[in-house]
Amino acid sequence: AQSVSQHNHHVILSEAASLELGCNYSYGGTVNLFWYVQYPGQHLQLLLKYFSGDPLVKGIKGFEAEFIKSKFSFNLRKPSVQWSDTAEYFCAVKTGGFKTIFGAGTRLFVKA
Amino acid sequence: DAGVIQSPRHEVTEMGQEVTLRCKPISGHNSLFWYRQTMMRGLELLIYFNNNVPIDDSGMPEDRFSAKMPNASFSTLKIQPSEPRDSAVYFCASTSRGGGGDGYTFGSGTRLTVV
Repeated sequence: AQSVSQHNHHVILSEAASLELGCNYSYGGTVNLFWYVQYPGQHLQLLLKYFSGDPLVKGIKGFEAEFIKSKFSFNLRKPSVQWSDTAEYFCAVKTGGFKTIFGAGTRLFVKA
Repeated sequence: DAGVIQSPRHEVTEMGQEVTLRCKPISGHNSLFWYRQTMMRGLELLIYFNNNVPIDDSGMPEDRFSAKMPNASFSTLKIQPSEPRDSAVYFCASTSRGGGGDGYTFGSGTRLTVV
């Protein structure tokens, strides 16, 4: 069955630290990949997406993600986090059909 | 565009009562999804519609849950009778390309508390 795995459930960083959140998926065909962010008490918002082309995708607020097909990975990165980046981050994969599969989420807490 | 609109934002009800959650997708979006989010189970897909037709309702937990989409601009999720374990945040999401090819736009959610 298709699945999305986010390696870390909780991450705690200090401001200015670099961030990398892992995401792996299980599907051998063509995929569309997404990262969503959910700030405390709010709804999910699209952070960035990958369809094709350059595997390094840049999103809003300085986030980027790299698609490595051979590793079935789509890790999220940010060189220097801010307190305002405290949120839950969801990796999501769309394969064929109508469904997008979401990972379990990673809660990031940034210490000021 | 006002985005995906859900109502009510908060609902507190007693066990056994009927609850109806409402969603208005973004105009022109042809796919609509209902999700439930809890601390224990995370984000769960309940049902999704394409062109107003239910495509997959395998995520609906029990017969107490039902969803309709009578037209392209309106959908409801009904729980009858409600139980305390239904307490969660229910999100509606829509997308313009079949199944989320462009990513989803989520509504602000309905926080349901069943006491």
